[in-house]
Amino acid sequence: GAVVSQHPSRVICKSGTSVKIECRSLDFQATTMFWYRQFPKQSLMLMATSNEGSKATYEQGVEKDKFLINHASLTLSTLTVTSAHPEDSSFYICSAYPSHNEKLFFGSGTQLSVL
Amino acid sequence: KNQVEQSPQSLIILEGKNCTLQCNYTVSPFSNLRWYKQDTGRGPVSLTIMTFSENTKSNGRYTATLDADTKQSSLHITASQLSDSASYICVVRVTGFQKLVFGTGTRLLVSP
Repeated sequence: GAVVSQHPSRVICKSGTSVKIECRSLDFQATTMFWYRQFPKQSLMLMATSNEGSKATYEQGVEKDKFLINHASLTLSTLTVTSAHPEDSSFYICSAYPSHNEKLFFGSGTQLSVL
Repeated sequence: KNQVEQSPQSLIILEGKNCTLQCNYTVSPFSNLRWYKQDTGRGPVSLTIMTFSENTKSNGRYTATLDADTKQSSLHITASQLSDSASYICVVRVTGFQKLVFGTGTRLLVSP
């Protein structure tokens, strides 16, 4: 089946630093990828839709200058948490649809801890 | 407002027993309904996808049902195993959109 690889799986950083998370579709091309955020014991919350070659679409309440998304190729989308603060600590997950396939494949997630 | 509600919020069962998880949705227009299994600290993994015309679908020990009239779905797990301990998330897709509406999940713990 299709594979979505997310890296890193865990990152700890100091407050004020920026963190980049990568999401790769390993065996299919994805013109659209999705970024989610998940707090403990809560469900996934869509943050933004990443579109290859164009600007990402952010959900209401998500700061686009805080969460920078780049989708420069059909197999890679990145999420950069800029000037991270402790309240940004969360589990971040990406996902993508293979073309003409209804299944949505998720990355393994990135646990971000901001000290 | 598009919503997906799941029950129970959490569940503990003994290994080998069966269980059923519930999902009620108010998403419209409805495209399909998915069940995902999410292990702690991992991304969700698809179990089943059901369209409007399907009322049951199985994947091994997992059987999902869908009643599009009452807008209810269930996930039945047979002969539970310790590895079934996870969160189970019901997700509904809106017709014409790639966005999904996520339920809050049911946390299942299978106890030896």
